[in-house]
Amino acid sequence: EIVMTQSPATLSVSPGERATLSCRASQSVSSNVAWYQQKPGQAPRLLIYGASARATGIPARFSGSGSQTEFTLTISSVQSEDFAVYYCQQYNTWWTFGQGTRVDIK
Amino acid sequence: EVQLVQSGAEVKPPGATVKISCEVSGYTFSDYNIHWFQQAPGKRLEWVGLFDPEGGESRYAERFQGRITITADTSTDTVYMDLDSLTSEDTALYYCARDRRPTAYKSGPQAHWGQGTLVTVSS
Repeated sequence: EIVMTQSPATLSVSPGERATLSCRASQSVSSNVAWYQQKPGQAPRLLIYGASARATGIPARFSGSGSQTEFTLTISSVQSEDFAVYYCQQYNTWWTFGQGTRVDIK
Repeated sequence: EVQLVQSGAEVKPPGATVKISCEVSGYTFSDYNIHWFQQAPGKRLEWVGLFDPEGGESRYAERFQGRITITADTSTDTVYMDLDSLTSEDTALYYCARDRRPTAYKSGPQAHWGQGTLVTVSS
């Protein structure tokens, strides 16, 4: 099974600041990585697929990068509605998720 | 508008079977895979299995093999997940979700999700 490891577990940022979230795969997954946002009481929401493509309706402040085993999600200027938990997912071999990074208000 | 509407919360005793439904609308049912995911308290999201409506086949995560059955009723565009021999470890939110791209492509990420169904296993 491909293990996805996210860091940090919690990221405290002020509104307007840049947030950088990391995700590492235990083996190469090419660019078959997605990022999801989940708020309390809600289902996950697809943000990024193919490591760097924004899903429909996702604001341009969200961007993804990386390939093989190292991936990054960047929020260029965090807005109040962005405080949530973020998960990476690999879909190269079946589907596995990271343990999540919580973005909260500093 | 694509919608996935799941059945309501369930409370089951240990050893029982739970059946959860996911009714889809807003697209052609046979065009997209439907997946099931488990989100247990304090644990990461986990893939449970999928239904391929084009071939009528299901595939399951190894951890759930032998206890899980995913079926569909094409007359109502509804996918079902049956989980047998429940234990406290199965207490979780279960989500159905639709692939972003149709079955003609390799299955990838999920762009549309149901609202989740809470299953509580308790005596």
